[in-house]
Amino acid sequence: NAGVMQNPRHLVRRRGQEARLRCSPMKGHSHVYWYRQLPEEGLKFMVYLQKENIIDESGMPKERFSAEFPKEGPSILRIQQVVRGDSAAYFCASSPRTSGGNEQFFGPGTRLTVL
Amino acid sequence: DQQVKQNSPSLSVQEGRISILNCDYTNSMFDYFLWYKKYPAEGPTFLISISSIKDKNEDGRFTVFLNKSAKHLSLHIVPSQPGDSAVYFCAASAPGYGKLTFGQGTILTVHP
Repeated sequence: NAGVMQNPRHLVRRRGQEARLRCSPMKGHSHVYWYRQLPEEGLKFMVYLQKENIIDESGMPKERFSAEFPKEGPSILRIQQVVRGDSAAYFCASSPRTSGGNEQFFGPGTRLTVL
Repeated sequence: DQQVKQNSPSLSVQEGRISILNCDYTNSMFDYFLWYKKYPAEGPTFLISISSIKDKNEDGRFTVFLNKSAKHLSLHIVPSQPGDSAVYFCAASAPGYGKLTFGQGTILTVHP
């Protein structure tokens, strides 16, 4: 029973390039969340998706950032024209959201470094 | 606007003793609270949760207490073990919102 998978684990980009981060949720989980952790800070919510739908993107920067969770395949967090301030650890989480609690299970993260 | 706060950046405890990690929140809409443990270069691992209809939840060495009137929760680890050394995050969610709001984390060090 594989957990949440993220790739790549480490990503280095130069300013102005694009970064694509992938997340495969746990089997049976249809809800995906992306969080960002800046150095010395806690995790900050970015976006919540279900298959083919963005449910809540209130934490996403208005420009350069986008996310999708297609019917087939992993969820993608895309950052266009990266800047140094985008350097952070990006975590994906998934949940079954059947009822009751809101336990989310996290992947190992992608550490993005912008040179 | 920090809605979930962990005011102690770090905590040091002797092996075998109790570790108490604290968390305060300001948003009265929060109705579900969770604790996560995180090792360096890894993702957070879910530990234990509690609904606002309860004031205590226990799972093995871990117990979470919720005081709604004080908007305060705490995680007790008894007995503490060196392998418990990690960063602990509390998180909260409100009904109808999937997102979790995290505190800044507390670094727990358990000395042998």
